[in-house]
Amino acid sequence: GENVEQHPSTLSVQEGDSAVIKCTYSDSASNYFPWYKQELGKGPQLIIDIRSNVGEKKDQRIAVTLNKTAKHFSLHITETQPEDSAVYFCAASLSGSARQLTFGSGTQLTVLP
Amino acid sequence: DTAVSQTPKYLVTQMGNDKSIKCEQNLGHDTMYWYKQDSKKFLKIMFSYNNKELIINETVPNRFSPKSPDKAHLNLHINSLELGDSAVYFCASSPHSNTEAFFGQGTRLTVV
Repeated sequence: GENVEQHPSTLSVQEGDSAVIKCTYSDSASNYFPWYKQELGKGPQLIIDIRSNVGEKKDQRIAVTLNKTAKHFSLHITETQPEDSAVYFCAASLSGSARQLTFGSGTQLTVLP
Repeated sequence: DTAVSQTPKYLVTQMGNDKSIKCEQNLGHDTMYWYKQDSKKFLKIMFSYNNKELIINETVPNRFSPKSPDKAHLNLHINSLELGDSAVYFCASSPHSNTEAFFGQGTRLTVV
């Protein structure tokens, strides 16, 4: 089955700096890669996603890049704010949808004021 | 107006007991899921279910069983609870063939 590795496990940045979280996946047939943000005491929430036919996608301060050849994808957050502090999960899916998502191990992002 | 709601939010119970966690979604979604999040925050799918098929993660013990009385509900039944079952359990739903999964707020299960 699919295996997703995520790094780093913890990340601290100063407010206003950029944060980058990286994930690799094992199954080259995976075709859908979402990123979820989990705030304390809440369930994960989708923040951005990318399909395998696209190399980059951006939504305001958040961007995701995908390298299919190397089987890795990354989340980029620019101009970080304290409210960006949360656990971020990458995931991969073979079905092109939310079904059968395999999640990475999560990154605790802390934005220091 | 909660989209995906789970009850209870906290559940403390003794080893060997049988318990259920309820999940309801008012989004009209076709597919519902149960995920387990362990103490290291690792999220793992347990079940994926719509009115046509149930997909079970083969690593889930058969003490766990999902039951869906209707399209809007997917409850999780756990028999003979063990200490290792302690975790946060998340229910989620998504529209058919859509990409976003909507998660509930989780149920923190503690087995003592």
